[in-house]
Amino acid sequence: SAVISQKPSRDICQRGTSLTIQCQVDSQVTMMFWYRQQPGQSLTLIATANQGSEATYESGFVIDKFPISRPNLTFSTLTVSNMSPEDSSIYLCSVDGASGGLSEQYFGPGTRLTVT
Amino acid sequence: KQEVTQIPAALSVPEGENLVLNCSFTDSAIYNLQWFRQDPGKGLTSLLLIQSSQREQTSGRLNASLDKSSGRSTLYIAASQPGDSATYLCAGGNSGNTPLVFGKGTRLSVIA
Repeated sequence: SAVISQKPSRDICQRGTSLTIQCQVDSQVTMMFWYRQQPGQSLTLIATANQGSEATYESGFVIDKFPISRPNLTFSTLTVSNMSPEDSSIYLCSVDGASGGLSEQYFGPGTRLTVT
Repeated sequence: KQEVTQIPAALSVPEGENLVLNCSFTDSAIYNLQWFRQDPGKGLTSLLLIQSSQREQTSGRLNASLDKSSGRSTLYIAASQPGDSATYLCAGGNSGNTPLVFGKGTRLSVIA
């Protein structure tokens, strides 16, 4: 298994500003995933972050808006840039805690972002 | 591309009732399927993981099944309790170490 922490747990930000969300894992992992959950909706993948290479973004998400860093095998950051109220969501990071041939994903507690 | 659908969207049951939550997926080449629980405003807690080679998994009062040929998974909750009230999400992965595709979830309310 994997234990994941995220900072901040929540924030209220003004339109036009940026927020950087941190994700820390208690073990080394190859891939980290960033998801967004808009109010009342399910999870949508933003990007996959592989250590040592550029993040891979899903359709509808761009690096200028959601830059991601992955400096090592236990840490990643997601920045939400030039925020608007439509960015109000829960942002979650996850990892695949593969062990013994089994692939299971674990999620952080999420960052609840409100943009005013 | 994998698509995951969950029905019903919401369910309200009296305490003690057994219930079934349904999940369907479009790509039978699914690698694994996970069921998660999400409490309001919180992150996801993994409940059960079923590998493609497995038919079911059990944990306490929870039992999840997987039928790849029909593209369906079910989560069975026995003797429901008010503490089971949450949103239940199923998600499928098409290979290891890849992101999951999520359904929209079933919001469960267990009434005391």
